[in-house]
Amino acid sequence: DQQVKQNSPSLSVQEGRISILNCDYTNSMFDYFLWYKKYPAEGPTFLISISSIKDKNEDGRFTVFLNKSAKHLSLHIVPSQPGDSAVYFCAASASGGYQKVTFGTGTKLQVIP
Amino acid sequence: ETGVTQTPRHLVMGMTNKKSLKCEQHLGHNAMYWYKQSAKKPLELMFVYSLEERVENNSVPSRFSPECPNSSHLFLHLHTLQPEDSALYLCASSQDMAAWGTDTQYFGPGTRLTVL
Repeated sequence: DQQVKQNSPSLSVQEGRISILNCDYTNSMFDYFLWYKKYPAEGPTFLISISSIKDKNEDGRFTVFLNKSAKHLSLHIVPSQPGDSAVYFCAASASGGYQKVTFGTGTKLQVIP
Repeated sequence: ETGVTQTPRHLVMGMTNKKSLKCEQHLGHNAMYWYKQSAKKPLELMFVYSLEERVENNSVPSRFSPECPNSSHLFLHLHTLQPEDSALYLCASSQDMAAWGTDTQYFGPGTRLTVL
């Protein structure tokens, strides 16, 4: 049973527009969420995270929104750039002790010039 | 070398072979991880080591055998694998195992394994 779901396997966006990547989770114990970005032939790299005590975290062009009641988070990229084309993984964990990170299946973003 | 490195990058092996994957981190981290990524599946955590001690073994078949001789090096020894073990194997490290759910993990580029 997948506890972290990314229902859109792929997304295409025009350069300069907003990219919105979505993620849903089922485990109510999750209280820390991360986004990783992965280019082909490279390992995932950390992008941005958010704790459940917040509903928004912003870092430059990247903003993550958390809706705890809906168990939903989203990553907004504004403006999108061709270099943002990659696979984006949503991940979640429950704090307290040794809690592993659970990953989603990823969404492949293509930003069209 | 910086970050997390993995060798080899690609490996093709028969079901009766024995091979090893190597991971090295140059970040001074205390925790290291092996993940498996199969097509269209989430990353699956296989093993976690903290200060060279295994603290997680996620129901992985015994044909996968990890080894952590020191905090900078991690190996995954492979023997009598099955074709369904073909996947991308990723190594990662993080600063502090005590908070590894919230601790940023740094990944290597992975080893693409094909079992014939």
